[in-house]
Amino acid sequence: EPEVTQTPSHQVTQMGQEVILRCVPISNHLYFYWYRQILGQKVEFLVSFYNNEISEKSEIFDDQFSVERPDGSNFTLKIRSTKLEDSAMYFCASSGGPQPYNEQFFGPGTRLTVL
Amino acid sequence: AQTVTQSQPEMSVQEAETVTLSCTYDTSENNYYLFWYKQPPSRQMILVIRQEAYKQQNATENRFSVNFQKAAKSFSLKISDSQLGDTAMYFCAFMKHQGAQKLVFGQGTRLTINP
Repeated sequence: EPEVTQTPSHQVTQMGQEVILRCVPISNHLYFYWYRQILGQKVEFLVSFYNNEISEKSEIFDDQFSVERPDGSNFTLKIRSTKLEDSAMYFCASSGGPQPYNEQFFGPGTRLTVL
Repeated sequence: AQTVTQSQPEMSVQEAETVTLSCTYDTSENNYYLFWYKQPPSRQMILVIRQEAYKQQNATENRFSVNFQKAAKSFSLKISDSQLGDTAMYFCAFMKHQGAQKLVFGQGTRLTINP
């Protein structure tokens, strides 16, 4: 069964460094999402992406964040200059069609630790 | 803004018992979707069941069923004949019918099924 995959599973970085979190959505999916979960808190929406552009973003998704679909298979989240409060689990998701009619399939997450 | 609240951080039942997980939400929308997602240990979130707010009939998927009370803004998940494989974190989530593509999650309930 097709799955969303994410790499790396755990990333440790120093404050101020740039990180890129990678996701491979399910191959025929067109809609892509990033969520994050700070330890002990709710899963929060960051951004949705369709047709090579951001379709919605939350207040969390400020200028330090960017997303890209550099080729036909990867979907990346870049944090330009990491802060301690960016430490969280980051989940990628994809869906085959528009919401809410199509299920979002989630990846296993990347745990980002900012020191 | 929509909020989702799960008031039970942890629950534990014996195998084969029935368990009900609670979820309440707040919204001014009239049409929306509600979801229960399951996240087994070290695995990705998967959709368990979904409910469309305009449908009065409660959704059912095999051993999983919901009790949707629109006026009370309540959406509980019942797991019948619980199995060891049901051990997971369960998230209740909300999505508007139109416009937004994001899922709004509750805090999660950690469910343990004991042998």
